[in-house]
Amino acid sequence: GNSVTQMEGPVTLSEEAFLTINCTYTATGYPSLFWYVQYPGEGLQLLLKATKADDKGSNKGFEATYRKETTSFHLEKGSVQVSDSAVYFCARTTSGTYKYIFGTGTRLKVLA
Amino acid sequence: ETGVTQTPRHLVMGMTNKKSLKCEQHLGHNAMYWYKQSAKKPLELMFVYNFKEQTENNSVPSRFSPECPNSSHLFLHLHTLQPEDSALYLCASSQTPLEGGKGTQYFGPGTRLTVL
Repeated sequence: GNSVTQMEGPVTLSEEAFLTINCTYTATGYPSLFWYVQYPGEGLQLLLKATKADDKGSNKGFEATYRKETTSFHLEKGSVQVSDSAVYFCARTTSGTYKYIFGTGTRLKVLA
Repeated sequence: ETGVTQTPRHLVMGMTNKKSLKCEQHLGHNAMYWYKQSAKKPLELMFVYNFKEQTENNSVPSRFSPECPNSSHLFLHLHTLQPEDSALYLCASSQTPLEGGKGTQYFGPGTRLTVL
């Protein structure tokens, strides 16, 4: 079936630490992959995306590479800030449909 | 930046009340969605509309009734809800999948619903 699996949170890091949040997917076809971020009290905001294998999405210092061979789209950031504290959702589409499949979300807490 | 607005932001209602949630998008998109976000659960897709036509109903109870009068507006009418329906209800919009499923969804801030 089609699904998205994220690492369980919460993830607690010190400021300037390296961040990795794992995401793997199962899918038929060739999905587009996304990372969304949800800050407290807000809706989801698109952080980055990749639409085909080997594409790298990047934004605000965050990066993720679409790895077809490992069906992964791990989120990374070299140096996190307190303001990065939020819930991060991995998601995918399937060609020709309106459906987006989301992971359960990973809460990140960055300490000063 | 978000071109999707939702009202109200917070709503408290009794089980016998009738209320409506409103969503409006200013992005020129043709597809609109309702999601339910509950604590410690994945986002649940409830309804999808494309060009005002409902294309998806994910086995949502009939106490939730969507309405899409045009491509810019989406409503969720609520009646005789249960306490377990308390959640954050998110609206989103996107272009139709003319890009072969490569489109991006844009979310509103959500309505925090509490059912007493």
